Amino acid sequence: GENVEQHPSTLSVQEGDSAVIKCTYSDSASNYFPWYKQELGKRPQLIIDIRSNVGEKKDQRIAVTLNKTAKHFSLHITETQPEDSAVYFCAASDTGRRALTFGSGTRLQVQP
Amino acid sequence: GAGVSQTPSNKVTEKGKYVELRCDPISGHTALYWYRQSLGQGPEFLIYFQGTGAADDSGLPNDRFFAVRPEGSVSTLKIQRTERGDSAVYLCASSVTESTEAFFGQGTRLTVV
Repeated sequence: GENVEQHPSTLSVQEGDSAVIKCTYSDSASNYFPWYKQELGKRPQLIIDIRSNVGEKKDQRIAVTLNKTAKHFSLHITETQPEDSAVYFCAASDTGRRALTFGSGTRLQVQP
Repeated sequence: GAGVSQTPSNKVTEKGKYVELRCDPISGHTALYWYRQSLGQGPEFLIYFQGTGAADDSGLPNDRFFAVRPEGSVSTLKIQRTERGDSAVYLCASSVTESTEAFFGQGTRLTVV
C-alpha cells in the first residue's frame, strides 16, 4: 500500500519568512495530493491540492510542487503570518483506491 | 447543516463496552469516509462508502470495528468490546464524488478507560 513520509515534524519561522514542508510517497499509482491544515482541536481543512497532470499550483501565498519521477511533493508558504501556525498534513491517493494516506504532520509555528 | 456533523463530540467508555459514533455528511455527498487520528499523528483511513455500500473497508483494524450507511446518507461506526488502544479522534469526511475535495467533520474524541 501507499506510504507517505513528511518532513520536518516541527518548523519554526519568523513572521514574513517562507516555510517549506516536504513529502514523499511510495505508490507510483497515486495521482492526487492534497494538503490539509489542522488547528488545535479542530477539523482538518483543505488548503490546496494538486493532481499528477500538473507540476505546480499556486493560490495566493500558498504553492504546491510535484515531482512524479522522484515521487515527492512540497508545500510552500510565503510571507508567513501568525495565523498560519497550525499542523499541516500532506496526503496522497489514487483514484482507484479513493482513500487518502496521510503523512505524520508538520507543526508550523510562526513567531511574530 | 452546512458541514459534516459528528456526534457525540466526546465519548468516554469503559473497556469492553460497545460504542456507536455517528456521522451526518453534507447533503448530496455520495462518498463518505471514516478515519482515525491518534495524538500527534495524521488521520488513518478506516473505511469508505460510495452510496450505501462499503467500497473499501481495508483500513478497519479488526472485526471489532464495523460501519454502516443504510440509506446512503448518515453513517454509524460501531466498535465492539472496546480496548484502551481504540482511544483516538474518529473523523468522518464526505465528498460530492470520490474524486473531489473531502470535507472533514470535527471528529468524535473516544476515550476508553
